[in-house]
Amino acid sequence: DVKVTQSSRYLVKRTGEKVFLECVQDMDHENMFWYRQDPGLGLRLIYFSYDVKMKEKGDIPEGYSVSREKKERFSLILESASTNQTSMYLCASSFRRGGLDQPQHFGDGTRLSIL
Amino acid sequence: KQEVTQIPAALSVPEGENLVLNCSFTDSAIYNLQWFRQDPGKGLTSLLLIQSSQREQTSGRLNASLDKSSGRSTLYIAASQPGDSATYLCAVRDAQGGKLIFGQGTELSVKP
Repeated sequence: DVKVTQSSRYLVKRTGEKVFLECVQDMDHENMFWYRQDPGLGLRLIYFSYDVKMKEKGDIPEGYSVSREKKERFSLILESASTNQTSMYLCASSFRRGGLDQPQHFGDGTRLSIL
Repeated sequence: KQEVTQIPAALSVPEGENLVLNCSFTDSAIYNLQWFRQDPGKGLTSLLLIQSSQREQTSGRLNASLDKSSGRSTLYIAASQPGDSATYLCAVRDAQGGKLIFGQGTELSVKP
């Protein structure tokens, strides 16, 4: 079974702090994604990566950055946390086979509160 | 801009009923469509993925269909059980930007 592990289930930080959210997958997937999920807004893509050291902006990249130094690990960084970044953060990974996308597999999420 | 809509937002049924969840999308130029399940406070679990060249996929009591020309997909759940209670989300992989675009989900409650 595919395992996508997010380093924390719950996290509380203060405004202005630099926050790191870590995600690791164990299936050698090329593609990795970071989403946030908010009531009434659904899931929104923040950043994604199709390979090591590659990154692409999603729909709401402002205030975030990412790092993919190794294939299995994709980190989301909040440069200077703000209260409007309080949310549930979800990491996902997938691979391509025969030129076709395979299903995205998600971690359990990190519920981040910024005070 | 691709938009994905799921109706109804919430659904309550008695155990044993067959039910259909609906998903519609505005742009038929998609690579694939995926159905997910999400339990409260948890991440998403992939249920079925339909490639753009396919019409349907089946897994156990679940059957998902895709009609690209009309911009619709349905998820059929046979003989529903209380353990099926969860939020079901559909998402399309947009051919334009290549990203997954999610609907808001249907919250399903199956009563014993």
